[in-house]
Amino acid sequence: DTGVSQDPRHKITKRGQNVTFRCDPISEHNRLYWYRQTLGQGPEFLTYFQNEAQLEKSRLLSDRFSAERPKGSFSTLEIQRTEQGDSAMYLCASSLVQAVTSGNTIYFGEGSWLTVV
Amino acid sequence: AQTVTQSQPEMSVQEAETVTLSCTYDTSESNYYLFWYKQPPSRQMILVIRQEAYKQQNATENRFSVNFQKAAKSFSLKISDSQLGDTAMYFCAFIAGGTSYGKLTFGQGTILTVHP
Repeated sequence: DTGVSQDPRHKITKRGQNVTFRCDPISEHNRLYWYRQTLGQGPEFLTYFQNEAQLEKSRLLSDRFSAERPKGSFSTLEIQRTEQGDSAMYLCASSLVQAVTSGNTIYFGEGSWLTVV
Repeated sequence: AQTVTQSQPEMSVQEAETVTLSCTYDTSESNYYLFWYKQPPSRQMILVIRQEAYKQQNATENRFSVNFQKAAKSFSLKISDSQLGDTAMYFCAFIAGGTSYGKLTFGQGTILTVHP
């Protein structure tokens, strides 16, 4: 078990460019979550998947943000036409769906830092 | 909607001493869980301790314990025998049980520095 891994760890991009982040959850975890964390703040929920189904995406910050989990394993988060306000750390997390009734742990990755210049 | 408030932006403590981090929350849910997460500098967030709202007994994990006051909607973290490795940002977080599980709501965080 290698934990939740995210790639790239750091990304610097010019305003207007598209960026994509990848998340590989813990292998047996069927729920996958994306959060955004700005400096000095707590993470903010964006979206989550159960297997390949995206169960909620209303919290995605704008239509420039999209996420996929095509085969129910890894997930990607894409930001199109990046803006300076998109600069933040994007966190991925995963858990078992059984966590719904048992309060089990949600495990976080180390995050992907985005800087838009 | 749930809110989580951490009123202490920064705290410091001497090694081996005890420190308490405060957290209050607001919710209309009856089934929920509360967590304290630790985020060391440039490292991933890890779970410190978890409390189920239906349990009256306060959770304890080694040097970490909570004071859960359900009526007051208060959930503080006590760290005993503080160690240098406890230096980190600490987040209090709330999650509703049931089908919405997974949408953690975090507080603003408390930066804890442990001094030798």
